[in-house]
Amino acid sequence: DAGVTQSPTHLIKTRGQQVTLRCSPKSGHDTVSWYQQALGQGPQFIFQYYEEEERQRGNFPDRFSGHQFPNYSSELNVNALLLGDSALYLCASSLNGLASHEQFFGPGTRLTVL
Amino acid sequence: AQSVTQPDIHITVSEGASLELRCNYSYGATPYLFWYVQSPGQGLQLLLKYFSGDTLVQGIKGFEAEFKRSQSSFNLRKPSVHWSDAAEYFCAVFPNTDKLIFGTGTRLQVFP
Repeated sequence: DAGVTQSPTHLIKTRGQQVTLRCSPKSGHDTVSWYQQALGQGPQFIFQYYEEEERQRGNFPDRFSGHQFPNYSSELNVNALLLGDSALYLCASSLNGLASHEQFFGPGTRLTVL
Repeated sequence: AQSVTQPDIHITVSEGASLELRCNYSYGATPYLFWYVQSPGQGLQLLLKYFSGDTLVQGIKGFEAEFKRSQSSFNLRKPSVHWSDAAEYFCAVFPNTDKLIFGTGTRLQVFP
């Protein structure tokens, strides 16, 4: 049983570019949450996707957007990259309902913006 | 607003010594509480969780945590630390809003 997978592992972009990160949830999970972890900080919630819709959003600008596909996989898109967007981006999957608190994390995508 | 405080940014212990990592939360009710561990360059691994019931919970790798409602705390403990425990530890709450709120983490360094 594969856990949560994310791609790519590392990514280097320049300011102003756009980036797409991908996440495949754990088998049987239908909900995907994205977190940003800046260096030396704890992860911060970006948004959550369920039934292909954004269900909840943290305090992040509209440059951050996402998508969930029918197979429950998800993408995180960031437009007009800023140096401050450099971080580890973590995807977490869960099962909607009573087990929604049990979130399983992927290894993350390390984004560096130059 | 809900928040999590981990007062210790960095802790250093000798291998074999006991360990306690502190965590305090701010929330109107009792949230679900978690401890995660993160090795360098890795994602988060769940160590243990508390939902209700017995306030002393056991986790993986010999860790345990105690929930104290009166102190709004959920401290992580281990009786004897191994060199492989060196990592970053995060306390988190799940205040029934479908998102985890994390503390800033405590970096554990273990000396032989």
